[in-house]
Order: sequence, then C-alpha cells, then structure tokens
Amino acid sequence: EDKVVQSPLSLVVHEGDTVTLNCSYEVTNFRSLLWYKQEKKAPTFLFMLTSSGIEKKSGRLSSILDKKELFSILNITATQTGDSAIYLCAAPGIEGGKLIFGQGTELSVKP
Amino acid sequence: DGGITQSPKYLFRKEGQNVTLSCEQNLNHDAMYWYRQDPGQGLRLIYYSQIVNDFQKGDIAEGYSVSREKKESFPLTVTSAQKNPTAFYLCASRKQHQETQYFGPGTRLLVL
Repeated sequence: EDKVVQSPLSLVVHEGDTVTLNCSYEVTNFRSLLWYKQEKKAPTFLFMLTSSGIEKKSGRLSSILDKKELFSILNITATQTGDSAIYLCAAPGIEGGKLIFGQGTELSVKP
Repeated sequence: DGGITQSPKYLFRKEGQNVTLSCEQNLNHDAMYWYRQDPGQGLRLIYYSQIVNDFQKGDIAEGYSVSREKKESFPLTVTSAQKNPTAFYLCASRKQHQETQYFGPGTRLLVL
C-alpha cells in the first residue's frame, strides 16, 4: 500500500531557529513529491520535486528530494512567527492524479 | 480572480440530516477532489472526478455522495449514513497532465 510519512508530527521552536521537516514515502511508480503549507484553512502549494539532489528554494524555505533513500526534507531558516502552520507533503498515486498525504507536521514558532 | 470557492464556511448538521457542501472553480481545471481532514491525520480522499459526469470513490467514500454535472462544480453530500461527519472538508482541483492540486478555503462541518 502506498504511504507517505512525515516527522516530527509537531515542533515548537523560537524565532530565528532553523528547522528541518522530514517526509518519507513508499509510492508505486513514484513521479513527484509536493509540499504544502496550511495556515488554518486552505493548503497553499510550496514546491514540487521530481529530481534527486536538486534543491528548490523560495526565500527562507528550501526543499530537496532523495529518490534513492525515498525521502524529502523541507528546511526553513531564520523562522518567523508567520511560519507557524501545518506543513504537508504528498505524492501522486497511480490513479486519477490523487495525492497521498502524510499526516502533516505542525510547526509553532514562538516569539 | 481565478480560484476555488467553497461554501458555506461553517455548516451545522442535525442527526439524520443530509447536508451538501459546495465547491466551484473557475480555473478551467479538469479534475476535482474532496478531502476530509481530521486533527493529526492529514488529508484523506473521499471522492474525485477527472471529467464531467464521471467520478470515483476515494479511500473513505462511505456515507458521502457527489455529482459532477458541470466542469466548474463538484458538490459533496454528507448523508445520514456518515456517523462521524465532524471534520474540515477541503475541495481541490487540478489541470490535466499536471500534478499540483490547488485547494479551496474549506468547510468546517459540525454535528449538533
């Protein structure tokens, strides 16, 4: 059965800290991995990763994929209180483009 | 503005009542999805539709029904057979041949 597992499930840090969120996967015919940020309502798209070792970066957020070890990490440097959210990773399944989601990591950044 | 809208934002259901959650998109996306989110469980797929007049069950379809009469619209009905409907419901859509799904703002369903 295809699955995506995230760790940790929750994390509390202070402003300015750097955090690393983990996502491992076992997905048949793996094609890509997606990261989303969810602040109370709709998840918003962050990154899509398809190739190993190529870092995607957006401001203080960056992500990389390791297709050999079947995992991805999302790094956030110099965290701010506005980074507090649930971070979701997902991989497309075989049928209908449906996404298989991990449980999410709830990040709380304290001032 | 292009986007996905869901209504209502909050919905209250009485015992034995069917309720319908609305999802509309003007992105001209082909596929649409309904997910349920419970605390600590991530998103679970209820139903999805890749084209008009066709839809498939997801992982937790029991107690739910959908229709896809128009490309823009994919309403979800939570029936009285769904014994634990309290959750946050998210609708998403995707353009054909692309992997990324885009989400609406969600509907929070509560049981009275």
